[in-house]
Amino acid sequence: DAGVIQSPRHEVTEMGQEVTLRCKPISGHNSLFWYRQTMMRGLELLIYFNNNVPIDDSGMPEDRFSAKMPNASFSTLKIQPSEPRDSAVYFCASSYDRDLGTDTQYFGPGTRLTVL
Amino acid sequence: KQEVTQIPAALSVPEGENLVLNCSFTDSAIYNLQWFRQDPGKGLTSLLLIQSSQREQTSGRLNASLDKSSGRSTLYIAASQPGDSATYLCAVRTDYKLSFGAGTTVTVRA
Repeated sequence: DAGVIQSPRHEVTEMGQEVTLRCKPISGHNSLFWYRQTMMRGLELLIYFNNNVPIDDSGMPEDRFSAKMPNASFSTLKIQPSEPRDSAVYFCASSYDRDLGTDTQYFGPGTRLTVL
Repeated sequence: KQEVTQIPAALSVPEGENLVLNCSFTDSAIYNLQWFRQDPGKGLTSLLLIQSSQREQTSGRLNASLDKSSGRSTLYIAASQPGDSATYLCAVRTDYKLSFGAGTTVTVRA
């Protein structure tokens, strides 16, 4: 299995530009998570999808952030317009979630976003 | 809200020494606790998962304990090697959510 795939791995953009991050979860997994990691705040959950439906988006910082999951094998996280404080590493993770006690989340390699 | 704390924030030891990493959490209503490893520029890799009904888990040189009533977990790494240098994150699962600690950055000197 290729694991969770994220693209791009690095993104440098200017303030005000639109940024789209992409994720392909592990085949067969029914849950997908977007996280943001910064030195100041650590790892934060942004949004959680189950069976392609957004269940919890309470971690999305502002209306500038949006996420979609049009099918079981693809998700996007969009920031429009981007700001320097959005600079962080964004991780996508997926899991099967049959058993909350034993199922773990599998993380992608992350996208390092720099907004100038 | 679940708060997860990891102590120490950083640790530097000579090769061969045993490592002890600590994690504490505020809400004991958890499904499991997991320890992850993160290498620079990489994603997270799950090392050990302890279910809420378990007291410990072992994998090779790694052993993790869980005391749910006191809200604590400890990760032991025996006979450390330079390849163990990484950041180790503790995470507790409440429903679908994983709440992460800030991590302990470990450096093992050859």
